[in-house]
Amino acid sequence: QVQLVESGGGVVQPGRSLRLSCAASGFMFSSYAMHWVRQAPGKGLEWVAFTSYDGFTEYYANSVKGRVSISRDNSRNTLYLQMNSLRSEDTAVYYCVKGQPGGPFDNWGQGTLVTVSS
Amino acid sequence: DIQMTQSPSSLSASVGDRVTITCRASQSIKHYLNWYQQKPGRAPKLLIHAATNLPTGVPSRFSGSGSGTDFTLTFTSLQPEDFGTYYCQQSYNDPYTFGPGTKLEIK
Repeated sequence: QVQLVESGGGVVQPGRSLRLSCAASGFMFSSYAMHWVRQAPGKGLEWVAFTSYDGFTEYYANSVKGRVSISRDNSRNTLYLQMNSLRSEDTAVYYCVKGQPGGPFDNWGQGTLVTVSS
Repeated sequence: DIQMTQSPSSLSASVGDRVTITCRASQSIKHYLNWYQQKPGRAPKLLIHAATNLPTGVPSRFSGSGSGTDFTLTFTSLQPEDFGTYYCQQSYNDPYTFGPGTKLEIK
């Protein structure tokens, strides 16, 4: 059974940094591409970032490009999202999502809330 | 970037009703269209992938159709547990955009 468990969210001041983690289990993590998707309070879903199964290919939403970095440690079955220069508009629940290129987002974590506020 | 639109933005329907939600892409995405169901306070759940395919465990009252730019999600007979917000999403290329969502209320 696929499990994705995010951690690392919290309250952070504007301009500061935060790193989210996602512990994966129940599938061969090193064989699957992964994504981060976020949802601001009361709003819709916004795709944030993608990493290929081997970490060699990354894509980012324009809204976070240059401030956010996705990475993975296949030896630890863990996905990361490093977020820098945080803004109030980055306030959202961040979901870790399993999904192959061109395919659906077939498994989602429960999400971790990031609040950017002074 | 590919823009996704959905209609209606919200609707209210009765148990047993046939309901259709539409999704449109700003350019052809072939069959790379997925639907998700989200209930309040919960993570989204994959409902339909590649426009027409139901994952294992999704009830057969859900169906999807379309290709290119125009797609539909149909509930053949609405059930009380179908309340929530439904999102379409294109997986044709990055950025992997979502539609704005359709909020479904059961009367």
